[in-house]
Amino acid sequence: AQKVTQAQTEISVVEKEDVTLDCVYETRDTTYYLFWYKQPPSGELVFLIRRNSFDEQNEISGRYSWNFQKSTSSFNFTITASQVVDSAVYFCALRSSGTYKYIFGTGTRLKVLA
Amino acid sequence: EPEVTQTPSHQVTQMGQEVILRCVPISNHLYFYWYRQILGQKVEFLVSFYNNEISEKSEIFDDQFSVERPDGSNFTLKIRSTKLEDSAMYFCASSVDWLLAGVQETQYFGPGTRLLVL
Repeated sequence: AQKVTQAQTEISVVEKEDVTLDCVYETRDTTYYLFWYKQPPSGELVFLIRRNSFDEQNEISGRYSWNFQKSTSSFNFTITASQVVDSAVYFCALRSSGTYKYIFGTGTRLKVLA
Repeated sequence: EPEVTQTPSHQVTQMGQEVILRCVPISNHLYFYWYRQILGQKVEFLVSFYNNEISEKSEIFDDQFSVERPDGSNFTLKIRSTKLEDSAMYFCASSVDWLLAGVQETQYFGPGTRLLVL
């Protein structure tokens, strides 16, 4: 079975703090893809990153960084020096090869306080 | 930057009525999808569509639902007889032809249609 777990329902931080959002996935497939999406209060889903199962290189994009570890089936997302505009719900998603559907986690609501 | 668009942004309907949700995918994309998100819950896959036919669907996508690409730009989701539990945000998404790209590309989501069934 395929599953994505985001154990943190809600996180509150003060602006400029670093914050890490956890994502743990389950799949029996050897080829799969992981994603992070941001859902701001306006409701749309904004793509942030895709990672392939065969590429464990971590990635940094500005204040965002992602840590992919196959050994622990985790794909964690860190925001450095958080800003109020980072306040949103963040979803981790999984797609296995052979299927089109994304399996989403339940999301983590991040509140960044000024 | 190209984006997926959806209309209407909000729709209120009476239980038992038919609704059609519309989407315009990104122009060079060939795979289309519908997802839904019940308020406060996770996003759930409904259906994928390629080459004018359904390529995959979930258990949620029963006979009450149908999809269509009526012309070269629109992609629609029809709910024949709405139920209270159909109230949700419906997202359309699209991706490029993965055969050309080598791997299936990322699904890009539209802004959603918030459907309220009374």
